[in-house]
Amino acid sequence: GAVVSQHPSRVICKSGTSVKIECRSLDFQATTMFWYRQFPKQSLMLMATSNEGSKATYEQGVEKDKFLINHASLTLSTLTVTSAHPEDSSFYICSARDPGRADTQYFGPGTRLTVL
Amino acid sequence: RKEVEQDPGPFNVPEGATVAFNCTYSNSASQSFFWYRQDCRKEPKLLMSVYSSGNEDGRFTAQLNRASQYISLLIRDSKLSDSATYLCAVILYNQGGKLIFGQGTELSVKP
Repeated sequence: GAVVSQHPSRVICKSGTSVKIECRSLDFQATTMFWYRQFPKQSLMLMATSNEGSKATYEQGVEKDKFLINHASLTLSTLTVTSAHPEDSSFYICSARDPGRADTQYFGPGTRLTVL
Repeated sequence: RKEVEQDPGPFNVPEGATVAFNCTYSNSASQSFFWYRQDCRKEPKLLMSVYSSGNEDGRFTAQLNRASQYISLLIRDSKLSDSATYLCAVILYNQGGKLIFGQGTELSVKP
């Protein structure tokens, strides 16, 4: 069964609104989670590394004030897309690293965001 | 230069064909390598890890060439159900252990 969940699976919103996406590890405590974004016909691009209890580490070119990440517990990381615009429409996928199984990352089912 | 590069394809092959995907990586500090499969509008699923000695799982064979910094995936006797996008990925241990994906190679197996 799924070990990482994401919610919501799909969201449609108006331009200018903020959208929060939750990523939960179900079977293990994840000190590190990752957020990816995937545009159509493109690969998964790492946006940021979310560390429990500390600030996220953002990849070059990703605006930290626009994509707010909070990893307040060992099983939950959230990504908030603030003031979303149509160009933010994408497939957002999180993954969680299982510290008990070296190198193993489990992916959530993804969230499809459409900004009108 | 991208950390991980793949031929985006698409590869269109008939059922039963053998198809090979290659992927190159630029960071010599990379220590762990993977092949993922992604179906349309879904999350990537781990297909197999790639070990230095090469490894096989049924019709799938993965190989690693550290000297040339590339990994490969061979699919034998391809099935219609193999149609998907195949992504190689490497873990960059010198960058916090993040998993970086190649562009993905689209495979379409035709009857």
